[in-house]
Amino acid sequence: QQQVKQSPQSLIVQKGGISIINCAYENTAFDYFPWYQQFPGKGPALLIAIRPDVSEKKEGRFTISFNKSAKQFSLHIMDSQPGDSATYFCAASSQGTDKLIFGTGTRLQVFP
Amino acid sequence: GAVVSQHPSWVICKSGTSVKIECRSLDFQATTMFWYRQFPKQSLMLMATSNEGSKATYEQGVEKDKFLINHASLTLSTLTVTSAHPEDSSFYICSARDYRGVTEAFFGQGTRLTVV
Repeated sequence: QQQVKQSPQSLIVQKGGISIINCAYENTAFDYFPWYQQFPGKGPALLIAIRPDVSEKKEGRFTISFNKSAKQFSLHIMDSQPGDSATYFCAASSQGTDKLIFGTGTRLQVFP
Repeated sequence: GAVVSQHPSWVICKSGTSVKIECRSLDFQATTMFWYRQFPKQSLMLMATSNEGSKATYEQGVEKDKFLINHASLTLSTLTVTSAHPEDSSFYICSARDYRGVTEAFFGQGTRLTVV
């Protein structure tokens, strides 16, 4: 019940295209859903995060869509660029524990 | 965003020796820090939660006597890998949360440990 399932495992997108990564969870106590970007040999960096009281959040080219009833959330990267090539992790946590449970990761490659 | 600094960035040690990794919050105070382990092309696995002034809480399956965690101040937590073995070789990452309860967790740049 603590798992966060992430798909796809890898994604290849052409420059200018839309990258979509999906995550699903079981624990209804989760109330914070961040997405992290990680480059090789570096720590993860927060991209964007959402709470369950909204269904969508947009920051620049990054959008989170959240479906509370389906217990799913997704990251959309618009106008994908080669510099976006990295591994993306979704995560979830619940108030009180502060522990982030990470998805399995998606390796995104954006080709020019 | 706030800065979390990890040191060293990489370390090579001989089997049987101990290695200490430091995690510092540079511009905020962190009552709670987290230590993760990441194997190549895998996700981050939480090892333990480090609380300032108290004992760390370890996740199931993590040997507390092997991975010693100390959180002596609001800006510093250390992870010591004792009697390291080649299977302990991994990427170790810390994160910290602001004591004021800010939701965002800030991550260090990670430490690549290689045990030979």
